[in-house]
Amino acid sequence: DAKTTQPTSMDCAEGRAANLPCNHSTISGNEYVYWYRQIHSQGPQYIIHGLKNNETNEMASLIITEDRKSSTLILPHATLRDTAVYYCIVRPPTGANNLFFGTGTRLTVIP
Amino acid sequence: GAVVSQHPSRVICKSGTSVKIECRSLDFQATTMFWYRQFPKQSLMLMATSNEGSKATYEQGVEKDKFLINHASLTLSTLTVTSAHPEDSSFYICSAHRDPTEAFFGQGTRLTVV
Repeated sequence: DAKTTQPTSMDCAEGRAANLPCNHSTISGNEYVYWYRQIHSQGPQYIIHGLKNNETNEMASLIITEDRKSSTLILPHATLRDTAVYYCIVRPPTGANNLFFGTGTRLTVIP
Repeated sequence: GAVVSQHPSRVICKSGTSVKIECRSLDFQATTMFWYRQFPKQSLMLMATSNEGSKATYEQGVEKDKFLINHASLTLSTLTVTSAHPEDSSFYICSAHRDPTEAFFGQGTRLTVV
């Protein structure tokens, strides 16, 4: 069962920041928040993950609320190549367990 | 970074034939790999967990005799779709974990059964 809820779709103007929200109100204390994206007809691509602190890498930033019940993925300067389905996933840190993919958010970057 | 390679990327086969899809972890060993299936405009659905040196674990509703999984080495898992039918046409994706926190996905295989 999905432990996350995301908007079905979003649009973002090219060059602007894309802010993708995710609700995970039932997240457990040891579960991480992961973000993946899937560009059409490709396998999912890892973006970022975090536990409670905000995280940043070369692709994106992840902002997790203090109560950990929601998070936001930020693509600081969206490009057309960022058009994809973005998946927010929660999972425990141990065990090579599979990832459960919900419906994700279809982000369309508009020129 | 770690790479998971999947082959072939596309395959078209005749109904009734079998198709083998390979999933390789290129720079790390994976005792466990996962096979997903994705129908058009739907999300990824886990089909089975491939375990090196032992039998795969299949999700409910997935026929183990139809989707044969072999994980003979720490870097290779194969999925064979036997006696394929048009309803098996789908996008098949594998994944492997370099460590418990990092999952990497193959490029996917688009199977079309005609």
